[in-house]
Amino acid sequence: DAGVTQSPTHLIKTRGQQVTLRCSPKSGHDTVSWYQQALGQGPQFIFQYYEEEERQRGNFPDRFSGHQFPNYSSELNVNALLLGDSALYLCASSAMTANTEAFFGQGTRLTVV
Amino acid sequence: AQSVTQLGSHVSVSEGALVLLRCNYSSSVPPYLFWYVQYPNQGLQLLLKYTSAATLVKGINGFEAEFKKSETSFHLTKPSAHMSDAAEYFCAVRIQGAQKLVFGQGTRLTINP
Repeated sequence: DAGVTQSPTHLIKTRGQQVTLRCSPKSGHDTVSWYQQALGQGPQFIFQYYEEEERQRGNFPDRFSGHQFPNYSSELNVNALLLGDSALYLCASSAMTANTEAFFGQGTRLTVV
Repeated sequence: AQSVTQLGSHVSVSEGALVLLRCNYSSSVPPYLFWYVQYPNQGLQLLLKYTSAATLVKGINGFEAEFKKSETSFHLTKPSAHMSDAAEYFCAVRIQGAQKLVFGQGTRLTINP
């Protein structure tokens, strides 16, 4: 079992650009949540996808959007990047009906310059 | 709304000494509680979870935590610290039926030889 996989592991973008991060959930999981972890902070919930729909959203602007595909994988898109968007972006998967705990990927380190 | 407070952003203990990491939560409904560990440049790994069964929960790597409703606490302990325990530890709360995790700010554990 490959667990939760995220790509890329690192990337550098310029202010104003757009970025797409990808996540493949653990086998058997159908729910994907995204978190932003700024340096020295705990992860902050961005949003969650289940059945290809956004089910719950944290306190993040509309510049942050996402998508879930039929195979349960997910993308996080961030438009008009700001320096403050620099962070570790974590993807977590779980099984909605089984009410399991969340399994996290290794994260994508985004640096905005 | 749920919240988590981790007392002490940095804890330092000697190898072989007791580890105690403190976590207090706020929740209007019975919560699920979790401890995660994060090694440098890694994602989050689940140490243990409380889901309304036994109040003393045993996890991986010799860690355990006790749920005390009267104190709204879920402190993490390990009888004897090992050098490999050096990492960042996060306490998190989730309400039953929801998937969103709310994290504390984290506690960095340092082990002195």
